[in-house]
Amino acid sequence: KAGVTQTPRYLIKTRGQQVTLSCSPISGHRSVSWYQQTPGQGLQFLFEYFSETQRNKGNFPGRFSGRQFSNSRSEMNVSTLELGDSALYLCASSTGLTSSYEQYFGPGTRLTVT
Amino acid sequence: DQQVKQNSPSLSVQEGRISILNCDYTNSMFDYFLWYKKYPAEGPTFLISISSIKDKNEDGRFTVFLNKSAKHLSLHIVPSQPGDSAVYFCAAKNAGNNRKLIWGLGTSLAVNP
Repeated sequence: KAGVTQTPRYLIKTRGQQVTLSCSPISGHRSVSWYQQTPGQGLQFLFEYFSETQRNKGNFPGRFSGRQFSNSRSEMNVSTLELGDSALYLCASSTGLTSSYEQYFGPGTRLTVT
Repeated sequence: DQQVKQNSPSLSVQEGRISILNCDYTNSMFDYFLWYKKYPAEGPTFLISISSIKDKNEDGRFTVFLNKSAKHLSLHIVPSQPGDSAVYFCAAKNAGNNRKLIWGLGTSLAVNP
């Protein structure tokens, strides 16, 4: 069974631009969560989608948004990029809501904002 | 405010010896704890977990101990192998608060041959 895939793996953007990251969950998984990882803050939860609906949200500004499609694939969008948005963005999928099910992570997208 | 703390950013042990990774938490509402391992350029991989109703869980070379009164858990790896060299994250689930996972900053383990 293929694992969680994320595209692109690396991305360089400039301040003020926007970016869209993509995540394809493990086949059969219906929940997708997004995390931001930075050296000083560790893994910070962004949001979780299940059956195309946002079920849980972390403490990030509205510039961070996401969506999930009917095939469970998910995208995350960051608008008006800031230097502090440079991070590794991780996607994780699970069979059901992560409150009850184990998460499986993708390799991440490394975003650099210059 | 870091609710899950891994106070040792790095740890180095000899192959064959025991590795002990520590994690402290501040929120008494946490009722489920997990350890993840992360290699460079890969996402975290689930390793082992423990419910707050237990004080020990074992899976092969990996054992997690939970001391609820001290709000402390530890991961023991015996014997340590060079392939165990990775960053280890401790994470906790809150009984309330939609059970979001709260993560520590990680401990980088180096197992030397």
